[in-house]
Amino acid sequence: QKEVEQDPGPLSVPEGAIVSLNCTYSNSAFQYFMWYRQYSRKGPELLMYTYSSGNKEDGRFTAQVDKSSKYISLFIRDSQPSDSATYLCAMSVGGDQFYFGTGTSLTVIP
Amino acid sequence: GAVVSQHPSWVICKSGTSVKIECRSLDFQATTMFWYRQFPKQSLMLMATSNEGSKATYEQGVEKDKFLINHASLTLSTLTVTSAHPEDSSFYICSARRGDGYTFGSGTRLTVV
Repeated sequence: QKEVEQDPGPLSVPEGAIVSLNCTYSNSAFQYFMWYRQYSRKGPELLMYTYSSGNKEDGRFTAQVDKSSKYISLFIRDSQPSDSATYLCAMSVGGDQFYFGTGTSLTVIP
Repeated sequence: GAVVSQHPSWVICKSGTSVKIECRSLDFQATTMFWYRQFPKQSLMLMATSNEGSKATYEQGVEKDKFLINHASLTLSTLTVTSAHPEDSSFYICSARRGDGYTFGSGTRLTVV
């Protein structure tokens, strides 16, 4: 069983839609949960970071962590064409060892 | 902001040859850098952790004699894929720790023919 599962998509939505991206995981020791955004030919950049369970909001982006279900989500409100990218979830028990999802490719159509 | 420059962005090499990939931290000193690879439809997997001035630490299953890592300065780490074979074709990406955060390079697509 993979440590982290993420639907690779691709996901295509119209501009203005609400996007929901999800990951599930198997290791209950994970405490740190990240979402990275990766544009074509660029490296991943940190979008959201959450410690333990709960919600975190930053502008149009909301990250949710449900440790009881081992499930994390990223919501994008009022999606824009500039949000078109690959979104990677990543998690860690602490320290430098990250476990990544495979990434979900998102296209927002104008 | 923190920038990590990775070169080349893509490379094609013949089987049996060696390829060197460079990662430079442009505006900060990176005492620790990480090397990942990603095979198609799979996730980024940590290969090794390199610390400036010391030997790299390799993850289980990664051949240290095949993937040579050098971190001779605080701004440069290199990964050399020696005697490359088609199964080494992958996306290689470095990351540098800066404070509590991590900055990724843009990655190198290696194709071995």
